[in-house]
Amino acid sequence: GAVVSQHPSRVICKSGTSVKIECRSLDFQATTMFWYRQFPKQSLMLMATSNEGSKATYEQGVEKDKFLINHASLTLSTLTVTSAHPEDSSFYICSARYPGQGPKNTEAFFGQGTRLTVV
Amino acid sequence: SQQGEEDPQALSIQEGENATMNCSYKTSINNLQWYRQNSGRGLVHLILIRSNEREKHSGRLRVTLDTSKKSSSLLITASRAADTASYFCAGRGNAGNMLTFGGGTRLMVKP
Repeated sequence: GAVVSQHPSRVICKSGTSVKIECRSLDFQATTMFWYRQFPKQSLMLMATSNEGSKATYEQGVEKDKFLINHASLTLSTLTVTSAHPEDSSFYICSARYPGQGPKNTEAFFGQGTRLTVV
Repeated sequence: SQQGEEDPQALSIQEGENATMNCSYKTSINNLQWYRQNSGRGLVHLILIRSNEREKHSGRLRVTLDTSKKSSSLLITASRAADTASYFCAGRGNAGNMLTFGGGTRLMVKP
């Protein structure tokens, strides 16, 4: 299957600093990647859709200036949490959709997730 | 917004028993997918059922879809301790691009 790698898996940062999370599609080119946030024992909430070479599309209620998304290449999207606060502590997961048509295109391939703790 | 609601939210069974999880969704879908998530990890795709399908099997998994009721169920037969995880349904809309997830069922299988 297609592989999506997310890095780092865990990060602890001080309040007020910025943290960058990387999402890479290792064996396919992903024109579209998705960023989700998950609180403990809750579901995944879509934050934004990242399109290669264009601006990300953010879901309602997600601050664009707070969560900066860059999708500069077909294999890499980054999420930067700027001026992090303790309430930003959460589990962030990216996913990528296989390009083109066919069976692989229908499912999403997920990264391992990043546990962010802001102290 | 969440596409689906899962029921039950938590389920505890003994190894060897069957586990049934239900999912209801709100808007029209092109397909519905079930994912598994081990604690603190990413999601793994389990099975996909298209809107024109009613039932699908994969190993110990059986998924049904009732589009008239906007609901789906996932049955895991002969459960194992290793099946302990959270299970999510996710719907892909007819526009094609986005998956939205239900709340998830936390399954615990006791050895």
